[in-house]
Amino acid sequence: EVQLVESGGGLVQPGRSLRLSCAASGFIFDDYAIHWVRQSPGKGLEWVAGISRRSLSVGYADFVRGRFTISRDNAKNSVYLEMKSLRAEDMALYYCAKGSYGDYAPALVDHWGQGTLVTVSS
Amino acid sequence: EVVLTQSPGTLSLSPGESAALSCRASHSISGRYLAWYQQKPGQAPRLLIHGASTRATGVPDRFSGSGSGTDFILHITRLEPEDLAVYYCQQYSSSPFTFGPGTKVDVK
Repeated sequence: EVQLVESGGGLVQPGRSLRLSCAASGFIFDDYAIHWVRQSPGKGLEWVAGISRRSLSVGYADFVRGRFTISRDNAKNSVYLEMKSLRAEDMALYYCAKGSYGDYAPALVDHWGQGTLVTVSS
Repeated sequence: EVVLTQSPGTLSLSPGESAALSCRASHSISGRYLAWYQQKPGQAPRLLIHGASTRATGVPDRFSGSGSGTDFILHITRLEPEDLAVYYCQQYSSSPFTFGPGTKVDVK
């Protein structure tokens, strides 16, 4: 059974940093891309970033490019999202999601974690 | 950026009825790279349909997808109370990979 378990969310002040982690199991991890997708009441579902299976290619939404960094450690079956210069509009539930392909594009996701909540507030 | 518009915003139906959910794209989606997800209350989204019309593993055949270019439909037949959810479309063809705002289906 595919499992994706996010962690690292919490309350952070605007301008500060946070690192999210995603632990994966139940599939051959280094065969697939992994994505981060966020969901907030005001903006719905938003694709944030994706990373190919061997980290050769990554992609970001414009609203996080330059502030967020996605990475993975295939030896640990884990993916990370380093978030810097956080803004109030980054507040959301962040999902880790398994891609259906080895590359991050096309960005079809076939399994989702339960999400980790990021709150940005002073 | 491909903007996806979904209609209606909310659909209230009775068990046994059928539903047709619309997803319209601002630009043609190449390769029919259009997916549908179901999100039940308190849960993460679940993939239902990809490639506009291919059901994901384990999805009942009451769910079907159709369309191409800019117009896509998710059909749900023989509605069950457990189908109560928000349904989202997503284009995964071109970055940024956008989602529609969702259609809420109420089954009473």
